[in-house]
Amino acid sequence: SSELTQDPVVSVALGQTVRITCRGDSLRSYFVTWYQQRPGQAPVLVMHGGNRRPSGIPDRVSGSRSGSTATLTITGAQAEDEADYYCNSRVNRGDQLVFGGGTKLTVL
Amino acid sequence: EGQLVESGGGLVQPGGSLTLSCAASGFSVSSKFMSWVRQAPGKGLEWLSLYYAAGGAYYADSVKGRFTISRDDSKNTVYLQMNSLTTEDSALYYCARDIGGISDTWGQGTRVTVSS
Repeated sequence: SSELTQDPVVSVALGQTVRITCRGDSLRSYFVTWYQQRPGQAPVLVMHGGNRRPSGIPDRVSGSRSGSTATLTITGAQAEDEADYYCNSRVNRGDQLVFGGGTKLTVL
Repeated sequence: EGQLVESGGGLVQPGGSLTLSCAASGFSVSSKFMSWVRQAPGKGLEWLSLYYAAGGAYYADSVKGRFTISRDDSKNTVYLQMNSLTTEDSALYYCARDIGGISDTWGQGTRVTVSS
């Protein structure tokens, strides 16, 4: 079982705001990283250091953390945001990384 | 910017071995951390291993003792040697360039199928 827990499926109406959460004790100690994976494609880094966007990621994507929960927020969801989203972090042993189970985001 | 191309996947029998390669261009693997991640069909991402620039390596419990990550600086390539394969190891295997545990560049993956 994953040490990071994500909701398997989340949906959002086009143009609305959606929050994708990731829960795990390790998030109290380590930053979370978020990846987006569209069908048939390799994952793409969309957020790191908790709230840092790589170049090319729109500013409507943001990240935050509170305690053992990290959140990826997409403000004004677009059709191209429909994808699987994975959180990732070191675990408490410090020498391993783990992915959450992933969240499938559907834009209605 | 950097590009990664994985190769070496294929069909292997249970109990067999396989070595995957990840050829890098646009940067030197010797100066970066490199990782391997896999994805079983219809499943999520699973982190497997991280190779430190200085030469050390970390592994997931699921592959520790069976998989070995290594690097050939002269070929600018990272490898994943996989032994004692089971059907549970069937997946698309990705390599990625890592910066402090953050995978900022990914290859397109190479598929491994373990079946008799």
